[in-house]
Amino acid sequence: AQSVTQPDIHITVSEGASLELRCNYSYGATPYLFWYVQSPGQGLQLLLKYFSGDTLVQGIKGFEAEFKRSQSSFNLRKPSVHWSDAAEYFCAVGPSTLIQGAQKLVFGQGTRLTINP
Amino acid sequence: ETGVTQSPTHLIKTRGQQVTLRCSSQSGHNTVSWYQQALGQGPQFIFQYYREEENGRGNFPPRFSGLQFPNYSSELNVNALELDDSALYLCASRAGGLPNTGELFFGEGSRLTVL
Repeated sequence: AQSVTQPDIHITVSEGASLELRCNYSYGATPYLFWYVQSPGQGLQLLLKYFSGDTLVQGIKGFEAEFKRSQSSFNLRKPSVHWSDAAEYFCAVGPSTLIQGAQKLVFGQGTRLTINP
Repeated sequence: ETGVTQSPTHLIKTRGQQVTLRCSSQSGHNTVSWYQQALGQGPQFIFQYYREEENGRGNFPPRFSGLQFPNYSSELNVNALELDDSALYLCASRAGGLPNTGELFFGEGSRLTVL
């Protein structure tokens, strides 16, 4: 079964500190991997995605993520967080299909990030 | 280029009623999917529409139904509302065709409260 696990429900870091959000997935084939961010009362915004190639991917707002196939992980990192990064972060996995079909994304439960001033 | 827009943003219904949520996809996108996000949870896939036909469905009962129109806008209908249907309903669109890059563009959602 396809699943995504985000082990940390809530993380608090100080402004300027580094950040790593964990994501582990279970998928039967090579997946597409995504990180989305959701601010309170808002929809989801794509931070970055991994399809193939370089396992370290860069995204918007200074975020990056590293795909580790051997660990089935896709952790999100940022070297120095800003107060505006406070939000809910979701890891998601989807099929790496080249045929037209249902693009069903499976999301993790999310990690709520709080920034201390 | 306009993004994905959803209406209404908030609504309250009572158990047993029916609700229709609406979504306008991003310009140039012919594929629309709907997700349910319960409080404190990640979004869950309801179904997807491509060229006005449902081409994928998640683990939701038949009382969840949808439509896609020729302009690629979409509706989500839920009949016989239950308390557990209270959630944020997200619409997402993407460009169809190949290759399938999979990237979805989400609206801000419709928050449904069932009393």
